[in-house]
Amino acid sequence: DTEVTQTPKHLVMGMTNKKSLKCEQHMGHRAMYWYKQKAKKPPELMFVYSYEKLSINESVPSRFSPECPNSSLLNLHLHALQPEDSALYLCASSQDGRQPYNEQFFGPGTRLTVL
Amino acid sequence: KNQVEQSPQSLIILEGKNCTLQCNYTVSPFSNLRWYKQDTGRGPVSLTIMTFSENTKSNGRYTATLDADTKQSSLHITASQLSDSASYICVVKEAGNNRKLIWGLGTSLAVNP
Repeated sequence: DTEVTQTPKHLVMGMTNKKSLKCEQHMGHRAMYWYKQKAKKPPELMFVYSYEKLSINESVPSRFSPECPNSSLLNLHLHALQPEDSALYLCASSQDGRQPYNEQFFGPGTRLTVL
Repeated sequence: KNQVEQSPQSLIILEGKNCTLQCNYTVSPFSNLRWYKQDTGRGPVSLTIMTFSENTKSNGRYTATLDADTKQSSLHITASQLSDSASYICVVKEAGNNRKLIWGLGTSLAVNP
């Protein structure tokens, strides 16, 4: 299995809702990432997990809460989001947890709309 | 300031034609340079990764070049197909302790029949 999967593909939520995005990979990769991408912009790094531990948080607001339950799974918990948080959320993984940002494999993304 | 600049911003070509996309960077210290293809609403897909010592790298109809002296890279697409319509993003990885990825804004390519 050489892909990163993300669910759901689309998500619409209100500002008071709590929802979660899920990302899974079975390539044995030990680094996993969350990115946020607005239209016509490059992806912006949010979080990096190395060996299931949070290693980088790019000053992301606390309404985004990442979780890495095991080496194959990465979640992003969402609570009290704002309309400006609407974006494509991308998950990625790379092989070596000691060398983040090596060749990354991206998932298809979750299109999030906050009403 | 570490930056990656791409040109042109957008490009329209006819199916079957070739095209070349440009990437100039000021990132230092340099580790590697990547080209990604991103279809609308999808995640980026890696086309090539080039290190300092590599001048040319091919992946099917995609050929990337790197001139580390002038800090320039190009992506050449041969015999374009409708499925090549996408955004092409140049990304440079910093070397050293920082090791961040610096993303360009991409070139939007439309291949018309």
